[in-house]
Amino acid sequence: DTEVTQTPKHLVMGMTNKKSLKCEQHMGHRAMYWYKQKAKKPPELMFVYSYEKLSINESVPSRFSPECPNSSLLNLHLHALQPEDSALYLCASKPGASYNEQFFGPGTRLTVL
Amino acid sequence: GENVEQHPSTLSVQEGDSAVIKCTYSDSASNYFPWYKQELGKGPQLIIDIRSNVGEKKDQRIAVTLNKTAKHFSLHITETQPEDSAVYFCAASKSTASKLTFGTGTRLQVTL
Repeated sequence: DTEVTQTPKHLVMGMTNKKSLKCEQHMGHRAMYWYKQKAKKPPELMFVYSYEKLSINESVPSRFSPECPNSSLLNLHLHALQPEDSALYLCASKPGASYNEQFFGPGTRLTVL
Repeated sequence: GENVEQHPSTLSVQEGDSAVIKCTYSDSASNYFPWYKQELGKGPQLIIDIRSNVGEKKDQRIAVTLNKTAKHFSLHITETQPEDSAVYFCAASKSTASKLTFGTGTRLQVTL
């Protein structure tokens, strides 16, 4: 298995809802990332997990809560989002801390009403 | 911090022509430079990368060149095909522990 998968592909939620995004990889990668991408913009880093520990939080609001239950799985829990949080949320992974190459999943298109 | 500028923002070429996208970075300590292709509705796909100890790298129709002195690197696509149409992002980082700093993207359109 040589890919990063993300579910769901699309998500519409209200500002009072709680939802979660899921990312999986079975490549044995030990670093996983969450990015946010607005239309016509490059990806913006949100969080980095390295060996299942949160290593980078790019000052992301607390309404976004990441979780890494195991080395293959990364979740992003969403609560009380704002319409401006609507974006494509991308997950990426790389083999480990000493590697550069990051591989992206297809993303979850999130719309907040 | 690192800043990466990318030009042009849009590029239209005829099928079979070459396309060149250029990026400039600010931090001389940057040593890893990947290029990503993002098709509509998909995530970015790593298509080629180069490290600072190499001046050029090729993979079939795509190549990347790096000029460390001038702090710029370029993506070259030869014999373009309609399936090359996408948004291309360059990026830079200065260590395996550093984040990728992306350029602003180039929308490439290959016309028949």
